[in-house]
Amino acid sequence: GAGVSQSPSNKVTEKGKDVELRCDPISGHTALYWYRQSLGQGLEFLIYFQGNSAPDKSGLPSDRFSAERTGESVSTLTIQRTQQEDSAVYLCASGMGTGARSYGYTFGSGTRLTVV
Amino acid sequence: SQKIEQNSEALNIQEGKTATLTCNYTNYSPAYLQWYRQDPGRGPVFLLLIRENEKEKRKERLKVTFDTTLKQSLFHITASQPADSATYLCALLPSGGSYIPTFGRGTSLIVHP
Repeated sequence: GAGVSQSPSNKVTEKGKDVELRCDPISGHTALYWYRQSLGQGLEFLIYFQGNSAPDKSGLPSDRFSAERTGESVSTLTIQRTQQEDSAVYLCASGMGTGARSYGYTFGSGTRLTVV
Repeated sequence: SQKIEQNSEALNIQEGKTATLTCNYTNYSPAYLQWYRQDPGRGPVFLLLIRENEKEKRKERLKVTFDTTLKQSLFHITASQPADSATYLCALLPSGGSYIPTFGRGTSLIVHP
């Protein structure tokens, strides 16, 4: 597609449930990032993919968080046993490989997750 | 630890004036500095990039400067318009093996007609 697509756009879940967030990057973009943005806060890095590999998972806040990417395309971020502090907007960004830092990254509109 | 600072207070200016936003950093030696615009309910949109060996970049009404001695980047919007009202984020990227952009919290710009 022309842009980065994220689904769902909004998700309300009960505490303790698992959720899956999906990201469809721009075709051909090998770099893919997940960030989280809480109200009034900056973007918190979660995980970086280059192709289907995740060389940097250092931002995942706990082992309840995991992510995968297949076919150098779609990525799924899974949060198990959700907690209220997981409520935030989850943003996905993609870029043209390692050179993307010279060209900028394209973000999706995010998934707003609310844990009640 | 690495720190990126952007003014947390909103910048209010009158239409037609030049808006200047600041990005300061400490304990960081970025090779690249990017600026993004974020509107409510949307993801950030890339605007401009400047490299460590560049002093200034321009794109239409936008200008970015990068002073590695002061550890500061300034982002200017000339002839500002109400449509420029948004939050502006800076992002720093290191040279070498890390490809993770680190973002500031952003500064809200409000342009009054």
